[in-house]
Amino acid sequence: GAGVSQSPSNKVTEKGKDVELRCDPISGHTALYWYRQRLGQGLEFLIYFQGNSAPDKSGLPSDRFSAERTGESVSTLTIQRTQQEDSAVYLCASSSGLAGFYEQYFGPGTRLTVT
Amino acid sequence: GQQVMQIPQYQHVQEGEDFTTYCNSSTTLSNIQWYKQRPGGHPVFLIQLVKSGEVKKQKRLTFQFGEAKKNSSLHITATQTTDVGTYFCALYNQGGKLIFGQGTELSVKP
Repeated sequence: GAGVSQSPSNKVTEKGKDVELRCDPISGHTALYWYRQRLGQGLEFLIYFQGNSAPDKSGLPSDRFSAERTGESVSTLTIQRTQQEDSAVYLCASSSGLAGFYEQYFGPGTRLTVT
Repeated sequence: GQQVMQIPQYQHVQEGEDFTTYCNSSTTLSNIQWYKQRPGGHPVFLIQLVKSGEVKKQKRLTFQFGEAKKNSSLHITATQTTDVGTYFCALYNQGGKLIFGQGTELSVKP
C-alpha cells in the first residue's frame, strides 16, 4: 500500500466495552509500533513488534491493553473494559530494517472516545 | 531508561521571526530524528542526524547535532504560517524502540 492505514478512524464506545483497533503497515516493513497521544500531549510508546521477535510490551499501561501482529503484516490493539482515561488518539507506525535508525511512517490514527 | 528533554514546550512567534527548539540528553546519543505534527495530523519524519557536529538544512530548517552527541536543535528561519505544528525529537534506544521528546508546539501569528 501507499502508506500506513488504520481503522477505524474514529471510535466512540461506552465505558466497560472492549475495542479493537487495526493497523496495516507499509508492505515489507518489519517493525511496527503503537503509540497513544492524549489531547495536547506527546507520544506515549505502547508496544513494538520487530519481525518474529517477542514484542516489547514495556509501554502497555495495564493488562487491559494487548496487541497482536501476524508475521510482518496487520496488527491489532485491543483495549478491554475501556475507561474514560483511555480516550486518546492511537497511532501506529512502521519502519523498515532492524535495530532502529530508520524513519517511522505513521498512520492517520484512531481517535477513541470513551463515554 | 534513555530519555530526551525537549524545550520549550510552547513557542509563539510573529510570522517572519525565527524559532528554535532544543533536545537534550544526559547520555550520549547514537542518533536523533526530528518529526513534525501538524494540528490534527500525524507525525511526519523530517530528518535524522547520526554524526557528531552534524548540520543539515532543509530550506529554512537547520538541524544540528551537538559535538558531544548529547543535544540537538531545530532552527527555523523566518517562520511562516505553514510552519505551525508540534516538533518532536526522537531517538532509538539499543532495543530498537523510538523514544520521543515531549515536543515543542509552535504557533505563528500572521
